[in-house]
Amino acid sequence: AQKVTQAQTEISVVEKEDVTLDCVYETRDTTYYLFWYKQPPSGELVFLIRRNSFDEQNEISGRYSWNFQKSTSSFNFTITASQVVDSAVYFCALRANMDSNYQLIWGAGTKLIIKP
Amino acid sequence: DTAVSQTPKYLVTQMGNDKSIKCEQNLGHDTMYWYKQDSKKFLKIMFSYNNKELIINETVPNRFSPKSPDKAHLNLHINSLELGDSAVYFCASSYTSGVSETQYFGPGTRLLVL
Repeated sequence: AQKVTQAQTEISVVEKEDVTLDCVYETRDTTYYLFWYKQPPSGELVFLIRRNSFDEQNEISGRYSWNFQKSTSSFNFTITASQVVDSAVYFCALRANMDSNYQLIWGAGTKLIIKP
Repeated sequence: DTAVSQTPKYLVTQMGNDKSIKCEQNLGHDTMYWYKQDSKKFLKIMFSYNNKELIINETVPNRFSPKSPDKAHLNLHINSLELGDSAVYFCASSYTSGVSETQYFGPGTRLLVL
């Protein structure tokens, strides 16, 4: 069975702190893709990153970075020097070859609150 | 230019009514989706169409009927609305239905059934 676990329901930090959002996935497939989406208070779902199972290089985009570790089946997301605008619900998702319909399997989301 | 658009953004209606939500994408994608997000933010796929053909039809009441007049549009019609249908409905699209494809979402339609 495929599954995505975001164990942190809610995280609250003060602005400028670094914060890491955890994502642990389960799949028996060797070819799969992992995604992060952001849902700010305005409600839209914004795509952040896609990572395939064959590329374990970490990714950095400005204050955002992602740490993909196949050994621990994790794809964690770190925000450096957080800002109030980072406040949102963040979703991790998995898509694998074993699912014939290639459905996205979603985590429950982590609500991130950045206090000024 | 809006990539994936949905109308209306808000929909308040009475139980028993029939309503439609429209979705259009101008990305040239072949695959479109409907998701339901409940009050706990849980996202659930409802339907997926690839080039106007239904490829995913999750267990949803048959009161929900998707219609794809062309590959740029996927509308959702809901008959006999119930209180439990209150949720945010998202339309999304991707280039194809393949495993690597990124889905891009519309702004959501907030449906409230009274």
